[in-house]
Amino acid sequence: EPEVTQTPSHQVTQMGQEVILRCVPISNHLYFYWYRQILGQKVEFLVSFYNNEISEKSEIFDDQFSVERPDGSNFTLKIRSTKLEDSAMYFCASRDPGRSYGYTFGSGTRLTVV
Amino acid sequence: KNEVEQSPQNLTAQEGEFITINCSYSVGISALHWLQQHPGGGIVSLFMLSSGKKKHGRLIATINIQEKHSSLHITASHPRDSAVYICAVRSQEGSQGNLIFGKGTKLSVKP
Repeated sequence: EPEVTQTPSHQVTQMGQEVILRCVPISNHLYFYWYRQILGQKVEFLVSFYNNEISEKSEIFDDQFSVERPDGSNFTLKIRSTKLEDSAMYFCASRDPGRSYGYTFGSGTRLTVV
Repeated sequence: KNEVEQSPQNLTAQEGEFITINCSYSVGISALHWLQQHPGGGIVSLFMLSSGKKKHGRLIATINIQEKHSSLHITASHPRDSAVYICAVRSQEGSQGNLIFGKGTKLSVKP
């Protein structure tokens, strides 16, 4: 079964540092997403990406966040200047509209900002 | 205002029991998803529903579009079913398929 791969699984960073979270979606999927889950809270939508551009973003996805699909396989989320409140689990997902389950999620990157 | 509400929030069951988790939503949807989140944090997609009922092994998911309600049932529950079960909907308003999540139901099945 194809998988969505996320790296690293856990990242610790100093407040104010830039981090890049990496994802390799399933190759023939068309839609890509980043979600985050702060500890103890529900999963929240950050951004969706289709046809090499952002198609929708939430209020959380402000100017400190950016996404890229630099080489047609990797899908990255960059946080420019991390804050303590950015500590969360970040999930990448991809979607093939034709598949009965729809979404495939990565196993997540746990980001800890200290 | 929570657009997706799940109940119960926590559920403890004995092995072998029949389990029901409920989900109500307040927005028009194009699809509803049931997801499973294990203690390590990873999310697995269980079902995508737009009408009726689906079955996969011991899991059954139903949806009533008119009542804006879905249920996830687990028959003959087992300790390995212990996880957080999350209901998520894809709004009709969103064109790109981003999901709105419930808070999850934490299920613990005791041997």
